[in-house]
Amino acid sequence: GDSVTQMEGPVTLSEEAFLTINCTYTATGYPSLFWYVQYPGEGLQLLLKATKADDKGSNKGFEATYRKETTSFHLEKGSVQVSDSAVYFCALGPFSGGYNKLIFGAGTRLAVHP
Amino acid sequence: GEEVAQTPKHLVRGEGQKAKLYCAPIKGHSYVFWYQQVLKNEFKFLISFQNENVFDETGMPKERFSAKCLPNSPCSLEIQATKLEDSAVYFCASSTIQAEYGYTFGSGTRLTVV
Repeated sequence: GDSVTQMEGPVTLSEEAFLTINCTYTATGYPSLFWYVQYPGEGLQLLLKATKADDKGSNKGFEATYRKETTSFHLEKGSVQVSDSAVYFCALGPFSGGYNKLIFGAGTRLAVHP
Repeated sequence: GEEVAQTPKHLVRGEGQKAKLYCAPIKGHSYVFWYQQVLKNEFKFLISFQNENVFDETGMPKERFSAKCLPNSPCSLEIQATKLEDSAVYFCASSTIQAEYGYTFGSGTRLTVV
């Protein structure tokens, strides 16, 4: 079935380091792809999204490119801050004619130290 | 409004008691989703609605869980005879048909069963 695989965390970085969180997916159609962020004690916030192959989503210095050939949607940021410490979720869905729910990866915890 | 409103924020129930959670989706959003987030961050899909109709209930433990979305009322998720393993944060989300802006999540209801 359709699924999302994220790299296991926690990821621990120093401030201003480069961040990559890997995400790959399996889907029978052409889904939209999302990254959500969950800060401690809060709900999910949409960070960025891409709706078709080669689209790049970007927001707050984070970027991810929808790669159909490698079925990937890796999250990157050039210089992380302490305030980026959170849990990041990759998700897929919906697509026309298919399911409409979001399917989440297991989440990757990021801890950024000063 | 522009936010998904979930109430209550916290709910404590003794084992065997009933729990009822509420969600007011964003006006104009046709789809409502319920997710359960357990301790290890995993998001488990429970049920989705298209307006007041159940769209997908493949994730619902049917023997004790029920949900409704009635016109002019908040959506609800009810758990009869709660068990310890129902302790989790329950998130509601809403979206338009095409989900062109992604899914907007509420801040969740933390249910603790003691």
